[in-house]
Amino acid sequence: ETGVTQTPRHLVMGMTNKKSLKCEQHLGHNAMYWYKQSAKKPLELMFVYNFKEQTENNSVPSRFSPECPNSSHLFLHLHTLQPEDSALYLCASSQEGASTDTQYFGPGTRLTVL
Amino acid sequence: SQQGEEDPQALSIQEGENATMNCSYKTSINNLQWYRQNSGRGLVHLILIRSNEREKHSGRLRVTLDTSKKSSSLLITASRAADTASYFCATDPRGGNKLTFGTGTQLKVEL
Repeated sequence: ETGVTQTPRHLVMGMTNKKSLKCEQHLGHNAMYWYKQSAKKPLELMFVYNFKEQTENNSVPSRFSPECPNSSHLFLHLHTLQPEDSALYLCASSQEGASTDTQYFGPGTRLTVL
Repeated sequence: SQQGEEDPQALSIQEGENATMNCSYKTSINNLQWYRQNSGRGLVHLILIRSNEREKHSGRLRVTLDTSKKSSSLLITASRAADTASYFCATDPRGGNKLTFGTGTQLKVEL
């Protein structure tokens, strides 16, 4: 285990639903990340939080709303999603948020939007 | 734009053989990292090589970096069935502040 947990592991939702993904890291890191992984595409960075402050929003649609209440927890709130949002959503953490840091990934949430 | 591109997209070898995967990138970098991902799981960091390094080893892994060609290779020696996974390079572009991942190489090691 990497020390980063994600729940739920699988989620099926309709386009009108509201759901949240949760990530927790037990590594004492100060930076947390959300990535989207779709088939045949590079891993897409969505959001970065450093010391609870959002430092990166990679042009993500507003139907994805992140929340970082403390350095150990990260949420991704979902509402009115589209079928093309179906993907594996990965959370990661690193010590300081530097690009030289090793990132530690959770197992991901497999999201299916119907 | 996509920074790292792995080649080949898929590779199938027999157990005991060596596996070589390549990564090409477009802009100057501070460092390059390789990650591994088992099916449906998160990525696991394998090795980091800095722009002033040419070769690095970790167990059965050997990574090379050629900054003049903007390319890196990952060699896995004496492969095992458990090495079956996708392998990604991630670059840290100079002047940037985030890792950029490629599309990955799917490695299958057959018994």
